[in-house]
Amino acid sequence: KAGVTQTPRYLIKTRGQQVTLSCSPISGHRSVSWYQQTPGQGLQFLFEYFSETQRNKGNFPGRFSGRQFSNSRSEMNVSTLELGDSALYLCASSSPSGNSGNTIYFGEGSWLTVV
Amino acid sequence: AQKVTQAQTEISVVEKEDVTLDCVYETRDTTYYLFWYKQPPSGELVFLIRRNSFDEQNEISGRYSWNFQKSTSSFNFTITASQVVDSAVYFCALKKSSGNTPLVFGKGTRLSVIA
Repeated sequence: KAGVTQTPRYLIKTRGQQVTLSCSPISGHRSVSWYQQTPGQGLQFLFEYFSETQRNKGNFPGRFSGRQFSNSRSEMNVSTLELGDSALYLCASSSPSGNSGNTIYFGEGSWLTVV
Repeated sequence: AQKVTQAQTEISVVEKEDVTLDCVYETRDTTYYLFWYKQPPSGELVFLIRRNSFDEQNEISGRYSWNFQKSTSSFNFTITASQVVDSAVYFCALKKSSGNTPLVFGKGTRLSVIA
């Protein structure tokens, strides 16, 4: 069974640009979450989608947005990039029922560098 | 509010030594889940274990074991006979069992196993 797949793995962007990251969850998983990991702040929750609806959102500015498609694939977008947005962005998926507490599996992440 | 503390920032051991990674959590919820993840240099968060708050049985999986003590709000992780491949950052995380809430992570413990 394929795991959580994230693309691209590495990317470099310039301040002010925007970026879109993609995540394909484990087959059959309908819940997709996004986390940002930085050396200073650690792992922080961005948002969670279930059946194309955002169910939960972390404390990030509106420049961070996401969506989920009918096949459960998800994208997150960051507009007007700032240097502080440089981070590892991790996508996670969880079991078909979407119930809280089910095991959460992560992808390899997308390493974003903003210059 | 929920909080996870991993007081050990970095640990270095010699191969074949046993090592324990500490995790202390805070929550007002009576039911919750605790997790451990391993993060190798590639970035992926590899799921190791999930524990329900009502199940205080210790668990062993090969060289890995976990000690859950609700009385002290701790969920410690022991690696027996450590190997170089165990070198990684290990994260402890907490999640409410009710509602669609995200994982709350500790800051992680970097384990270096020296040959």
